[in-house]
Amino acid sequence: QKEVEQNSGPLSVPEGAIASLNCTYSDRVSQSFFWYRQYSGKSPELIMSIYSNGDKEDGRFTAQLNKASQYVSLLIRDSQPSDSATYLCAVNEGYGGATNKLIFGTGTLLAVQP
Amino acid sequence: ETGVTQTPRHLVMGMTNKKSLKCEQHLGHNAMYWYKQSAKKPLELMFVYNFKEQTENNSVPSRFSPECPNSSHLFLHLHTLQPEDSALYLCASSQGDQADTQYFGPGTRLTVL
Repeated sequence: QKEVEQNSGPLSVPEGAIASLNCTYSDRVSQSFFWYRQYSGKSPELIMSIYSNGDKEDGRFTAQLNKASQYVSLLIRDSQPSDSATYLCAVNEGYGGATNKLIFGTGTLLAVQP
Repeated sequence: ETGVTQTPRHLVMGMTNKKSLKCEQHLGHNAMYWYKQSAKKPLELMFVYNFKEQTENNSVPSRFSPECPNSSHLFLHLHTLQPEDSALYLCASSQGDQADTQYFGPGTRLTVL
């Protein structure tokens, strides 16, 4: 059973701090990794995708990937109350065909305190 | 309309009813997906369609019946559901390559009485 593990939280950080969200995955041949943000009662929206080892930065967000350790993380700098949401880690199930079968973690609830 | 749309947004049905969920994508994508999201559980992939062909059925009970008449439309036909089927049902689409991002619709909140 291929799995994606996340700490459910809540992760509470003060406004302006760095929030660090972590995810581990079991499928060693996974190649594509995604972070989605989901506000309560809403659908997931993509924050970042990452495919290569190392860091990828986009504004206040940095995704980090370490395939050897099967670990992917998301850093949010200068956290804002509007960042308060559940963050879902998703990993593709190895070498798919023409489709992208994603396995999702249960998500980490982030609460940014004003 | 832009992105991925879903109707209805909310649905309450009895266990003997038959209803259908509709999804439409306006992104020119080739793959469409149905997911189920229950409280405290990960998003569960139900079905995958690629170029209108079903390529994945994730051991979903037969009371859920998908239909994909073309690459832009996806339906989920529901009949004789159980209360434990109450959940948020999300549709997504992507270009179809394994590296592609999936874009989600707003979801249908289903309650089975």
